[in-house]
Amino acid sequence: GQQVMQIPQYQHVQEGEDFTTYCNSSTTLSNIQWYKQRPGGHPVFLIQLVKSGEVKKQKRLTFQFGEAKKNSSLHITATQTTDVGTYFCAGPKGNTGKLIFGQGTTLQVKP
Amino acid sequence: NAGVTQTPKFQVLKTGQSMTLQCAQDMNHEYMSWYRQDPGMGLRLIHYSVGAGITDQGEVPNGYNVSRSTTEDFPLRLLSAAPSQTSVYFCASSSLAGTKLSSYNEQFFGPGTRLTVL
Repeated sequence: GQQVMQIPQYQHVQEGEDFTTYCNSSTTLSNIQWYKQRPGGHPVFLIQLVKSGEVKKQKRLTFQFGEAKKNSSLHITATQTTDVGTYFCAGPKGNTGKLIFGQGTTLQVKP
Repeated sequence: NAGVTQTPKFQVLKTGQSMTLQCAQDMNHEYMSWYRQDPGMGLRLIHYSVGAGITDQGEVPNGYNVSRSTTEDFPLRLLSAAPSQTSVYFCASSSLAGTKLSSYNEQFFGPGTRLTVL
């Protein structure tokens, strides 16, 4: 069945360093969403990408959707302690109504 | 708007007991879903609904039932709790962006229910 894989599972960085998490699907996705979950909190929507090759920026965060619409990435420039949390990608499983999440990447930032 | 609310926040059950986790949203969203979150496994879809009266199984439905009698409410029932069901449960809702079931808008998550089964 369709799988959405994220790497790495964990990342520890020094404050000010960059961070990237990658999301790969076994099948083509019509769209992909990204979420952030702070420790002890619930996932919060960040962005949705729809078009092949799409790049969107939110301040220090850059989101990309691959040309084949099977992979995506989230890059954070110059991390801050407020970036700590787990980042999830999610994509629809065909036209079934199921939204499948990746395993998430947990980011720790050392001040 | 309260958004998505979940009750209870915490629950401890004994093996074999049944209970219902409540979820409600006040945004008139068509799509509602239940996920469980376990360490290292991300969010796994249990059941979902695309409208009142319509429910379907997700990726890990065994041991759980749902119903959707109204647009607002989407309760999750544990029929006979097992230690493997110890987890954090999140309810989410969203509007659908179009006629295709793959056309989601952003998912709004509730605060979660932390369930322990002894």
